[in-house]
Amino acid sequence: QLQLQESGPGLVKPSETLSLTCTVSGGSITSSSFSWGWIRHAPGKGLEWIGTLYYSGSTYYNPSLKSRVTISAVTSRSYISLDLTSVTAADTGMYYCARSTYYHDTGGSAFDILGQGTMVTVS
Amino acid sequence: DIQMTQSPSTLSASVGDRVTITCRASQDFSGWLAWYQKKPGKAPKLLIYKASTLEGGVPSRFSGSGSGTEFTLTISSLQTDDFATYYCQHYDSYRWTFGQGTRVEMK
Repeated sequence: QLQLQESGPGLVKPSETLSLTCTVSGGSITSSSFSWGWIRHAPGKGLEWIGTLYYSGSTYYNPSLKSRVTISAVTSRSYISLDLTSVTAADTGMYYCARSTYYHDTGGSAFDILGQGTMVTVS
Repeated sequence: DIQMTQSPSTLSASVGDRVTITCRASQDFSGWLAWYQKKPGKAPKLLIYKASTLEGGVPSRFSGSGSGTEFTLTISSLQTDDFATYYCQHYDSYRWTFGQGTRVEMK
């Protein structure tokens, strides 16, 4: 059974770079049927998509974060990383690694497997 | 960019109630929509995709419908385990957009 596990520092200083890792077990991240991304949930706010990485290497980011975000993967070690630069208190929240499935029949995509999340505080 | 607006923001209900949450898009689109359940301290859980298809393992009291710009999530008989926040999610051209969420609380 596919499992995702996020890890990284729980506390980051303002203006520094937040770096998180998502380790994928029980499956491969090289399948072309899926993509891999990050979602976050700030306290008192709604869910926010951060970005998504495809096996081809293509990446897509939320326009509001695009200038600060990099998502990459190390396929040999089955992990996906997130780097978010120049963080502020507004970047505080739970960060979730997520697999997204693309439904070819209707051209849509949803996050069907997520990790338990890791809390990041910017202070 | 398409904006997704959920209503109501908060809903007070009792166990056994029929609950309906609405998600409206700022413009007509392909009709592809997903719904998630989010509980404190837990990861979001996919309930419904393609507007009306139930994800595996999700109880049949959950259902989704809609087209065009208006979509609904219905819980036919609210259970204790269903008190949570629900989010709709749209996808188009490599962009995933969530609604702002609807909190279902105990009356």
